[in-house]
Amino acid sequence: GESVGLHLPTLSVQEGDNSIINCAYSNSASDYFIWYKQESGKGPQFIIDIRSNMDKRQGQRVTVLLNKTVKHLSLQIAATQPGDSAVYFCAELTSGTYKYIFGTGTRLKVLA
Amino acid sequence: DSGVTQTPKHLITATGQRVTLRCSPRSGDLSVYWYQQSLDQGLQFLIQYYNGEERAKGNILERFSAQQFPDLHSELNLSSLELGDSALYFCASSVAGTMNTEAFFGQGTRLTVV
Repeated sequence: GESVGLHLPTLSVQEGDNSIINCAYSNSASDYFIWYKQESGKGPQFIIDIRSNMDKRQGQRVTVLLNKTVKHLSLQIAATQPGDSAVYFCAELTSGTYKYIFGTGTRLKVLA
Repeated sequence: DSGVTQTPKHLITATGQRVTLRCSPRSGDLSVYWYQQSLDQGLQFLIQYYNGEERAKGNILERFSAQQFPDLHSELNLSSLELGDSALYFCASSVAGTMNTEAFFGQGTRLTVV
């Protein structure tokens, strides 16, 4: 498959462990955030979102934390599985702009 | 399957040429977004259309243009192609009328300029 972002930071995690992927967003006016997962050769896939009036949101095996004070977003994946291996992007959106700004991405490698 | 269809999947063309990439959004989505993804720059927003009209513009070159047709499909036209235009081009669509909505991405078109 195609490689996305050969120079991306990489996080290697043992299968079954929890993963934490971090993202620093750029615009303090951003009020909506999304985490996307991109597998090799595929388009980004929505994982979870959070609005700026929340600090935490949980999905199935995933949790997103938002710290507006330091403009930081994190994605926690519980019990990481081989199928979680992918590049993860955060995206920010400011109301009224309709323009998503994407982070550079982090490559997650799950070790068996 | 996200419901967003992009064609072609792969395109190889020579410098100086012009190509057209096509995107069909998810049924019911009025907004279409185009993104360029290169190895060294990640995902870059190019342009967005909403119900046939341009809504937002990002880092789109003057050699590039796009439009959205009455049936809501969109085309991205790339002209006077350069080697540096080689990249993955993604289309995404979202439910219109709400600013804070998730966008669903197509599989992308891999453009190689030789």
